[in-house]
Amino acid sequence: NAGVMQNPRHLVRRRGQEARLRCSPMKGHSHVYWYRQLPEEGLKFMVYLQKENIIDESGMPKERFSAEFPKEGPSILRIQQVVRGDSAAYFCASSPTGTGTEAFFGQGTRLTVV
Amino acid sequence: TQLLEQSPQFLSIQEGENLTVYCNSSSVFSSLQWYRQEPGEGPVLLVTVVTGGEVKKLKRLTFQFGDARKDSSLHITAAQPGDTGLYLCARPGSNQTGANNLFFGTGTRLTVIP
Repeated sequence: NAGVMQNPRHLVRRRGQEARLRCSPMKGHSHVYWYRQLPEEGLKFMVYLQKENIIDESGMPKERFSAEFPKEGPSILRIQQVVRGDSAAYFCASSPTGTGTEAFFGQGTRLTVV
Repeated sequence: TQLLEQSPQFLSIQEGENLTVYCNSSSVFSSLQWYRQEPGEGPVLLVTVVTGGEVKKLKRLTFQFGDARKDSSLHITAAQPGDTGLYLCARPGSNQTGANNLFFGTGTRLTVIP
């Protein structure tokens, strides 16, 4: 029973490049959440998706950030024209229901913008 | 408010000592989760508490949900170096701000010294 899989684990991008972060939820889970964690801080909610739908993107920056969860394949968090302030750990979590009661996290992608 | 305040922010103790960390809010929770996050990893769910006054035990960890469901505590007996990590509490969002999200506390970073 594979857990939530995120890749890559580490990603280095130069300022202005694009970053694509992937998340495959646990088998049977159709609810995916993305969180960002800055060093020495807690997790900040970014976006909640179900298959082919964005349910809540209230935590997403208005520009450069987008997310999708297609019918087939992993969920993608895309950051265009990265800046140094985007450097953080990005975690994906999946849940069997959309009630927000429990979530199972991946190991995260650590993005470094140089 | 959705704010979850955890205390203390940092805690360093000797192996074998007992400790308690707290999670507080001015709002009532429908449920609350505790997670532990080790360096370089994603948060791992420890427990979910639902009922006011509920107490759950996980080996040397005791979780308590306040009677009014506004606060929770985590007590560790005879701490071990393996208990070292970031302890996070989380609650589902309210209907006004997004019932399907998990909001995380600020975290308590525990270090157990051998």
